[in-house]
Amino acid sequence: QQPVQSPQAVILREGEDAVINCSSSKALYSVHWYRQKHGEAPVFLMILLKGGEQKGHEKISASFNEKKQQSSLYLTASQLSYSGTYFCGTSNAGKSTFGDGTTLTVKP
Amino acid sequence: GAGVSQSPRYKVAKRGQDVALRCDPISGHVSLFWYQQALGQGPEFLTYFQNEAQLDKSGLPSDRFFAERPEGSVSTLKIQRTQQEDSAVYLCASSARDEQYFGPGTRLTVT
Repeated sequence: QQPVQSPQAVILREGEDAVINCSSSKALYSVHWYRQKHGEAPVFLMILLKGGEQKGHEKISASFNEKKQQSSLYLTASQLSYSGTYFCGTSNAGKSTFGDGTTLTVKP
Repeated sequence: GAGVSQSPRYKVAKRGQDVALRCDPISGHVSLFWYQQALGQGPEFLTYFQNEAQLDKSGLPSDRFFAERPEGSVSTLKIQRTQQEDSAVYLCASSARDEQYFGPGTRLTVT
């Protein structure tokens, strides 16, 4: 079963903050986040592993609540370049399942 | 360094034709994944390789879909007797450990 993301869409002004949520009905071992711009490939943002290890490459933070089977992505002081569709994915034994995405639009 | 590349970037096929989609992963990446992405949806898992071994093919929609990675590097996704419902973007990703690096995708349109 695919994870459920909320909200489906967010519109922000530059400099505002946003939170994107991802929840699963199954136990989570890891959650990974990607951003995809229109017509481009998804780009890795962050992975959160069971046990608390977190690995990321950009100035974006995330939380992982194993008990609630939820993860949240925090985008602070958003920039125009943050616009795109954000996907969370869960992995189990190699197989990855993605949510349907949250579309973020940052306006000047 | 070079990222994941896919070819062709666009493919138009007539219904019933066979197509082959190629993925060149990042050099040294052990794991390789294929996904199908419909418009407005997230990538949907098709199959997964570790080196040349296909460890999971549970996402392949039908026996018309076949993937291979004979030497543990380049992979090919083949679709036989294409149908209109096969129209989608096919994404390939490779991974050394946990994070996946995606290619630009092949947009397949079946007419």
